[in-house]
Amino acid sequence: DSGVTQTPKHLITATGQRVTLRCSPRSGDLSVYWYQQSLDQGLQFLIQYYNGEERAKGNILERFSAQQFPDLHSELNLSSLELGDSALYFCASSVGVRASYEQYFGPGTRLTVT
Amino acid sequence: AQKVTQAQTEISVVEKEDVTLDCVYETRDTTYYLFWYKQPPSGELVFLIRRNSFDEQNEISGRYSWNFQKSTSSFNFTITASQVVDSAVYFCALPGANNLFFGTGTRLTVIP
Repeated sequence: DSGVTQTPKHLITATGQRVTLRCSPRSGDLSVYWYQQSLDQGLQFLIQYYNGEERAKGNILERFSAQQFPDLHSELNLSSLELGDSALYFCASSVGVRASYEQYFGPGTRLTVT
Repeated sequence: AQKVTQAQTEISVVEKEDVTLDCVYETRDTTYYLFWYKQPPSGELVFLIRRNSFDEQNEISGRYSWNFQKSTSSFNFTITASQVVDSAVYFCALPGANNLFFGTGTRLTVIP
């Protein structure tokens, strides 16, 4: 158990809908990363938050957004969902702001868009 | 930009055999870290190791060992006496400025 929690574990929804994925980092960790894992793209970085502020953006679509709350949990919002958004979404946390710190991953949320 | 190559897409071994997973990286950084993660069939990503480029000594943890060679830009992972529970996809990763860059992974199947 990494200490990072993600809910829900599975999500099935229809095209055009909006969903929210939630992540709680390990105790003491200030950084939260979101990654998407799909069969064709592999593991792709989406966005990073550190202590409540957005620090870096990767291949995140405009239809996607995220935030980190004062209690350090984070939410990833996916809207106007398309079939291609079906993937495993991971949250990772680390103690520092740099990517070179150890990143611990949650169990992931498997999103299926039908 | 950072790049990680895991040329072995799939490997199958019989239980108790040793197996080495290859990782080749590209970076212009003079100091850097390298990571290995394991993704078992259940799907989670499990952190295995983080290694600093300053330290080229082999790392051993139980049946796992890692060989870091800057001269060939490789950070290979060896499992000794493989077990069925080692069946998973293994990812090598290299940090960039803001995130980890992952290789495409190597799927290891250990046959009982």
